[in-house]
Amino acid sequence: GENVEQHPSTLSVQEGDSAVIKCTYSDSASNYFPWYKQELGKGPQLIIDIRSNVGEKKDQRIAVTLNKTAKHFSLHITETQPEDSAVYFCAASRKSGGGADGLTFGKGTHLIIQP
Amino acid sequence: DGGITQSPKYLFRKEGQNVTLSCEQNLNHDAMYWYRQDPGQGLRLIYYSHIVNDFQKGDIAEGYSVSREKKESFPLTVTSAQKNPTAFYHCASSDRGNSPLHFGNGTRLTVT
Repeated sequence: GENVEQHPSTLSVQEGDSAVIKCTYSDSASNYFPWYKQELGKGPQLIIDIRSNVGEKKDQRIAVTLNKTAKHFSLHITETQPEDSAVYFCAASRKSGGGADGLTFGKGTHLIIQP
Repeated sequence: DGGITQSPKYLFRKEGQNVTLSCEQNLNHDAMYWYRQDPGQGLRLIYYSHIVNDFQKGDIAEGYSVSREKKESFPLTVTSAQKNPTAFYHCASSDRGNSPLHFGNGTRLTVT
């Protein structure tokens, strides 16, 4: 089955700097890659996703890049703010069509924004 | 506001007892899911359902059971057969099996 590795497990950056979280996946058939943000005491919330026919997607300060050949994808957050502090999860769908029931999650990255 | 409601937020049980976690959604989504989250771990799929009266096992279904009698409700029972039940449990839904997940705020279950 699919295996998703996520690094680093903890990332501390100064407010205003950029943060990058990286994930690798094992199943070359995976074609849907969402990123979720989990704030303390809350459930995960989708912040951005990308499908395999696209190499990069951007939404304001957040961007995701995908390298299908190397089977890795990354989350980039620019101009970090205190409210960006949270746990971030990457995921990959091992089912064709990107079904939510085929998602495999990474173990999460705790992002800490230092004032 | 549309969303997913999980109750209670915190639940305590004695070992050997079954316990049922509630999940209700008013998003009119067809698909619903249960995930387990352990500290420092990713989310692992327990059960999912794409339609009323039908559900499928996920990656870690042993020791759990579900029902889907109504579109908006997908309760999870943690049975005494689950060896390590203490964890966060997240319910989620999606419009279709291939659309993004919407999560509830989770239930923290502690079994002693």
